[in-house]
Amino acid sequence: GEDVEQSLFLSVREGDSSVINCTYTDSSSTYLYWYKQEPGAGLQLLTYIFSNMDMKQDQRLTVLLNKKDKHLSLRIADTQTGDSAIYFCARVDRGSTLGRLYFGRGTQLTVWP
Amino acid sequence: DTGVSQDPRHKITKRGQNVTFRCDPISEHNRLYWYRQTLGQGPEFLTYFQNEAQLEKSRLLSDRFSAERPKGSFSTLEIQRTEQGDSAMYLCASSLAHQRNTGELFFGEGSRLTVL
Repeated sequence: GEDVEQSLFLSVREGDSSVINCTYTDSSSTYLYWYKQEPGAGLQLLTYIFSNMDMKQDQRLTVLLNKKDKHLSLRIADTQTGDSAIYFCARVDRGSTLGRLYFGRGTQLTVWP
Repeated sequence: DTGVSQDPRHKITKRGQNVTFRCDPISEHNRLYWYRQTLGQGPEFLTYFQNEAQLEKSRLLSDRFSAERPKGSFSTLEIQRTEQGDSAMYLCASSLAHQRNTGELFFGEGSRLTVL
């Protein structure tokens, strides 16, 4: 996925926080996204962050962007069993068509009750 | 349901046969995208349309693949002379050209192709 890397698996206990990490190599990325894929369902945008931001918070979700290290993370507070899914990090290049995304391989999040 | 719909959801075919997938985007969306997702991988961009014009194609889209969006609404993706390596989930997504300038895509549930 054009150098977007994610760890493949994460397991947490219900109620704990989950942190999913992503690294990318292309510093020209403009938007960075987190998509969620549940079994039998289409990918759904969870949140996004523009490259001139460091942090974005949306209810239980916190996105942190470290441009120097090209590192993106998604923190899910008070993780629930319904959060079990595959989470994809994605980016779009500066000057590229919005919608032409480069995805990582996805992180399978398993939440134990 | 006003989401992106794809048909068929699953297609099993023999090597060498042709297959066609259909995508109906969200009605007011003028951009339509095709992605391919193989097992254990993230989606990979294939092509996109703005209205009826195909504006960009990935190098992944070999000559055996053709996509159309004749009236700027639904789209078809045809694969000719299928090969086992074509086995994948084919995802369709749609968006508005300036979706709050965020590029959010709305994905369908995908069409899974199995080539025997």
